[in-house]
Amino acid sequence: GQNIDQPTEMTATEGAIVQINCTYQTSGFNGLFWYQQHAGEAPTFLSYNVLDGLEEKGRFSSFLSRSKGYSYLLLKELQMKDSASYLCAKPNTGFQKLVFGTGTRLLVSP
Amino acid sequence: DTEVTQTPKHLVMGMTNKKSLKCEQHMGHRAMYWYKQKAKKPPELMFVYSYEKLSINESVPSRFSPECPNSSLLNLHLHALQPEDSALYLCASSQVFGMSNQPQHFGDGTRLSIL
Repeated sequence: GQNIDQPTEMTATEGAIVQINCTYQTSGFNGLFWYQQHAGEAPTFLSYNVLDGLEEKGRFSSFLSRSKGYSYLLLKELQMKDSASYLCAKPNTGFQKLVFGTGTRLLVSP
Repeated sequence: DTEVTQTPKHLVMGMTNKKSLKCEQHMGHRAMYWYKQKAKKPPELMFVYSYEKLSINESVPSRFSPECPNSSLLNLHLHALQPEDSALYLCASSQVFGMSNQPQHFGDGTRLSIL
């Protein structure tokens, strides 16, 4: 199966740190992507993890634990513009398609 | 601004109309995708083209007809759609098809409303 689970909604305040979790079934793992999608706009690529550990890109970091089937996206120094949906996604076993998680809507308040 | 451009941005059509959605990329990508996204849901794959050939059709109804005229263009022809087909239609591309580490680059989508 390709079940990928994320919390539906999260709220945080400007300047804070938020962690968005993603769990997936470990069979046929080929890496995990994170995308950001503002309402009515294109999903934009944030990160790709295939090895365990933390990958840092400015205010955004992504973590992966392959044995636990677990990833998280860490957003630091939150800004109002970070209010968006965050989607984790992984290729299916045959690398033929990207399977998306349920998505997490993040609301950043002043 | 995204590197994948889609037109039109909005489309309202009746159930008997025929219309087409267009997608263009100039990144030299050889894989192109159509997704359907309903409100507050993740994108769902519809079609994949690799080197201008249809590689995946996710059991999409025949009222949706994809076409890839060349490596930069992807069309989605619509005919006799149903109200439940109202959604955001996203186009995406990646360098090649079938490589697990290739991120997909998405266009802003066409918001389609069926009356």
